[in-house]
Amino acid sequence: SQQGEEDPQALSIQEGENATMNCSYKTSINNLQWYRQNSGRGLVHLILIRSNEREKHSGRLRVTLDTSKKSSSLLITASRAADTASYFCATDADKLIFGTGTRLQVFP
Amino acid sequence: NAGVMQNPRHLVRRRGQEARLRCSPMKGHSHVYWYRQLPEEGLKFMVYLQKENIIDESGMPKERFSAEFPKEGPSILRIQQVVRGDSAAYFCASSASQGAKNIQYFGAGTRLSVL
Repeated sequence: SQQGEEDPQALSIQEGENATMNCSYKTSINNLQWYRQNSGRGLVHLILIRSNEREKHSGRLRVTLDTSKKSSSLLITASRAADTASYFCATDADKLIFGTGTRLQVFP
Repeated sequence: NAGVMQNPRHLVRRRGQEARLRCSPMKGHSHVYWYRQLPEEGLKFMVYLQKENIIDESGMPKERFSAEFPKEGPSILRIQQVVRGDSAAYFCASSASQGAKNIQYFGAGTRLSVL
């Protein structure tokens, strides 16, 4: 069964705005990872947050993790048209279990 | 330093034929994972291999699908007697180790179309 579920399923914003995507999962985890997939391409790893961490930053990305609510959020600040992609959260250590993704469209 | 290489990028097969998908992991990586992605869906785990061993094949269909990762050469995902429902993108990922720091690096995928 699917472990991660992203919300919203689709998001459209203007360049310069912030984009927030959420992920909920069902069982306990070792870590949670976010990936980006451009149309027709493979996945690119963005950021990993461990179960004992609450927040992590990487450039314009900010990830939070709330293990009590079994949820995570990915914030992309000052979005760019090049951020247009699908974003997936994935849980577990060995076999990553992906959600269905959030399709982000950033309009110039 | 080449990333994960998958070939072919596109593969067309008729029903009943065999499909062979290849994956060369990143240099120094001994852990390989195969995932399948249907249109508009996320990736579904299929199998996890370490050199010459299948570690977890809980996502593999019981029939027609097999995977190997020999001591020398790429990992192979083999689908026998393909059916239309096998049409999907198949992604391979590799990692240097397993465990909580496991970051998987993905190839560009093989898109299988079954006519």
